[in-house]
Amino acid sequence: DQQVKQNSPSLSVQEGRISILNCDYTNSMFDYFLWYKKYPAEGPTFLISISSIKDKNEDGRFTVFLNKSAKHLSLHIVPSQPGDSAVYFCAASALEEGAQKLVFGQGTRLTINP
Amino acid sequence: NAGVTQTPKFRVLKTGQSMTLLCAQDMNHEYMYWYRQDPGMGLRLIHYSVGEGTTAKGEVPDGYNVSRLKKQNFLLGLESAAPSQTSVYFCASGRNIQYFGAGTRLSVL
Repeated sequence: DQQVKQNSPSLSVQEGRISILNCDYTNSMFDYFLWYKKYPAEGPTFLISISSIKDKNEDGRFTVFLNKSAKHLSLHIVPSQPGDSAVYFCAASALEEGAQKLVFGQGTRLTINP
Repeated sequence: NAGVTQTPKFRVLKTGQSMTLLCAQDMNHEYMYWYRQDPGMGLRLIHYSVGEGTTAKGEVPDGYNVSRLKKQNFLLGLESAAPSQTSVYFCASGRNIQYFGAGTRLSVL
């Protein structure tokens, strides 16, 4: 029972264009959503987050959109740069047993082509 | 500005051996977590701690034990390693936003 799903294992985008990464979730109790970026042999690095009371959050080239009715989250990267090539994980959290537990998707490998 | 530090970075064990993975954070976070990541899967929560002296089970706790004797340290133990525990282990700290260490790559032969 996978509560957070990233249905695209990989995505290839031309440098300068928009990258759109998608994520779906099933648990309506999730109230906070995050995107992490991971390079090989490194730990995940926090990228951007959004609370369930918002539908959009922007930080430079990165924008996260939340559609609560569809239980869908997306990350937009504009413009895409070669350094953006990495694996991107979406994560959702809910307060449970005193802790804000994260549930991760399987990840999407983004490749930016020059 | 170390953040979250994990030791060791790599380890190879034989089935049945034991080991302890150490996680240290310098951000004064109350919450700390241990995850494992397997190919084609996201990170899965093994155990977590909401403060010094407390621990709790996550999604995949079997075969692991943890201790949080000091606020800055969170230890993950494997008492009798099995090949199914071959994985990359990540420690994290923080509440709403979790900050991760670089990982420990463990192989159990």
